[in-house]
Amino acid sequence: NAGVTQTPKFQVLKTGQSMTLQCAQDMNHNSMYWYRQDPGMGLRLIYYSASEGTTDKGEVPNGYNVSRLNKREFSLRLESAAPSQTSVYFCASPRTGMKETQYFGPGTRLLVL
Amino acid sequence: AQSVTQLDSQVPVFEEAPVELRCNYSSSVSVYLFWYVQYPNQGLQLLLKYLSGSTLVKGINGFEAEFNKSQTSFHLRKPSVHISDTAEYFCAVFGTGFQKLVFGTGTRLLVSP
Repeated sequence: NAGVTQTPKFQVLKTGQSMTLQCAQDMNHNSMYWYRQDPGMGLRLIYYSASEGTTDKGEVPNGYNVSRLNKREFSLRLESAAPSQTSVYFCASPRTGMKETQYFGPGTRLLVL
Repeated sequence: AQSVTQLDSQVPVFEEAPVELRCNYSSSVSVYLFWYVQYPNQGLQLLLKYLSGSTLVKGINGFEAEFNKSQTSFHLRKPSVHISDTAEYFCAVFGTGFQKLVFGTGTRLLVSP
């Protein structure tokens, strides 16, 4: 039981390149979330998916797209990366029926040059 | 709407001394409250949570927090810290009826020998 896994762990992109961050959970949870963490700003919600087939915008969705491929997987895509998207990205998944208690993945550290 | 304020961005303390990390929140609805800990280069781990009942909640690693509704606070305390407690601590609020956690900006606890 790995919980929440994320790939890759690290990535360096040039401005304008695209990439997809992958997240998977093996806990059979309905909801999944993507956050970004920046110094002095805490964690901010980018997008979330309350159930398979649904996605909703969070606090900072601009420049990102998401796909809830199935119940296990929730990917985050940067179509045209910008230096402002340099951040640490965390995927999280709360226990079904307990949205408030989230389990976090180890994070993806992204640097956009 | 909900918001969380962590009043101290950094708290230096000597080993075996007591520590308090402050957290205040605002919300128009009833809330659940959380403290998460993030060790260097790792994801977030749940430290403790208040959902209902006793206002004093105990968490892992000897930490505890007290929910004070009149002061809208949820301060985190530990009577004697260890070097290994050096980490960043995030307070978060989940408003009932909402779908997401809102995080504070974090407090970095630095424990020195």
